[in-house]
Amino acid sequence: KQEVTQIPAALSVPEGENLVLNCSFTDSAIYNLQWFRQDPGKGLTSLLLIQSSQREQTSGRLNASLDKSSGRSTLYIAASQPGDSATYLCAVGNYGQNFVFGPGTRLSVLP
Amino acid sequence: DGGITQSPKYLFRKEGQNVTLSCEQNLNHDAMYWYRQDPGQGLRLIYYSQIVNDFQKGDIAEGYSVSREKKESFPLTVTSAQKNPTAFYLCASSIASGGANEQFFGPGTRLTVL
Repeated sequence: KQEVTQIPAALSVPEGENLVLNCSFTDSAIYNLQWFRQDPGKGLTSLLLIQSSQREQTSGRLNASLDKSSGRSTLYIAASQPGDSATYLCAVGNYGQNFVFGPGTRLSVLP
Repeated sequence: DGGITQSPKYLFRKEGQNVTLSCEQNLNHDAMYWYRQDPGQGLRLIYYSQIVNDFQKGDIAEGYSVSREKKESFPLTVTSAQKNPTAFYLCASSIASGGANEQFFGPGTRLTVL
């Protein structure tokens, strides 16, 4: 059964810093991996979807990479801003199965 | 605007009551999902539907029921059999079911048991 972990559970950084969030999964036979942002009390906003055949995807200051063989994905945020403060969740999709979500990393960017 | 709507935003339930959470989408997606989110935990799948008039249990279906009479709508009923229903409930949809398809989420409903 697929298990997804995210470390660290929480992270505080000063504004302007580049940072990396980690997502690990146990079954490497995935079809795709999706990164989400969640603000307090809100739904999930899709940030990036990376297919298993891709190594990375970019959107603005965000870059997601995928290493299936090691069971890891990273979300890189460049030049962080206070508006980036939120919880970031990854979800792993295996073909024919539903997504499995990680517990999230709570990010605080301090002005 | 295309998207997913959930209502109400906040819901309070007394012991022994059944309550229904609404989820509507205008994305023309076949698949719809209900998740439960508890503090410090990832989302857990309650029920999902691949197509109209069809639905399957997820990982934590006990105490919940759903229907899918229309493509756009997938209401969730939290029954009195659900012993710990206080949580944040999220509805999602995708073009088709399974982990191959990007999921889109609604704004959520927070349910509190009084």
